[in-house]
Amino acid sequence: EADIYQTPRYLVIGTGKKITLECSQTMGHDKMYWYQQDPGMELHLIHYSYGVNSTEKGDLSSESTVSRIRTEHFPLTLESARPSHTSQYLCASSEPSGTGNEKLFFGSGTQLSVL
Amino acid sequence: KNQVEQSPQSLIILEGKNCTLQCNYTVSPFSNLRWYKQDTGRGPVSLTIMTFSENTKSNGRYTATLDADTKQSSLHITASQLSDSASYICVVSDRGSTLGRLYFGRGTQLTVWP
Repeated sequence: EADIYQTPRYLVIGTGKKITLECSQTMGHDKMYWYQQDPGMELHLIHYSYGVNSTEKGDLSSESTVSRIRTEHFPLTLESARPSHTSQYLCASSEPSGTGNEKLFFGSGTQLSVL
Repeated sequence: KNQVEQSPQSLIILEGKNCTLQCNYTVSPFSNLRWYKQDTGRGPVSLTIMTFSENTKSNGRYTATLDADTKQSSLHITASQLSDSASYICVVSDRGSTLGRLYFGRGTQLTVWP
């Protein structure tokens, strides 16, 4: 069982609200990621971090922002939510590997619905 | 274009039966391929990893194969159980370094009926 936690599990909010999705891991992993997943579709990388004070945008353009002030914490923020942001958001971390054979450990996800 | 294609999209089998899920990829260069299992409402969990030199690897009732020449992988599930109902996702990494990028398939949704 992975020690990576996401809150809330479900969130229903109105358009224009500011939200923060929380993600924490207790494994001491430097690398952390945010993925977006829609039903029947592949996961898309929206943000990643290689360590404290390191954040990068992923392959999928996203209006969200992230921060990495502590190793264990990688929150994602939407300043003004829109219905197009409705999706499942998955946080992940990976243990160090110089070979590229890294295994991702995922949280249980946050299902976001914007009305 | 680097892609990962999985088939079938969905599959229904009876408990106790075997099944095989397919993953074809065009990712190049190739580093490794992982199969993940994603239960409904949960995040994916790694089942196994296949590197270039490996042809077959087993993890309990799960057996993964890799043909790097044809760029195909399969996941065989033996004696299926109700708990095997999940989405199975194939993920390919394109290089053996920290700069490696991951390519995700859309998954095969497996349903096991009693």
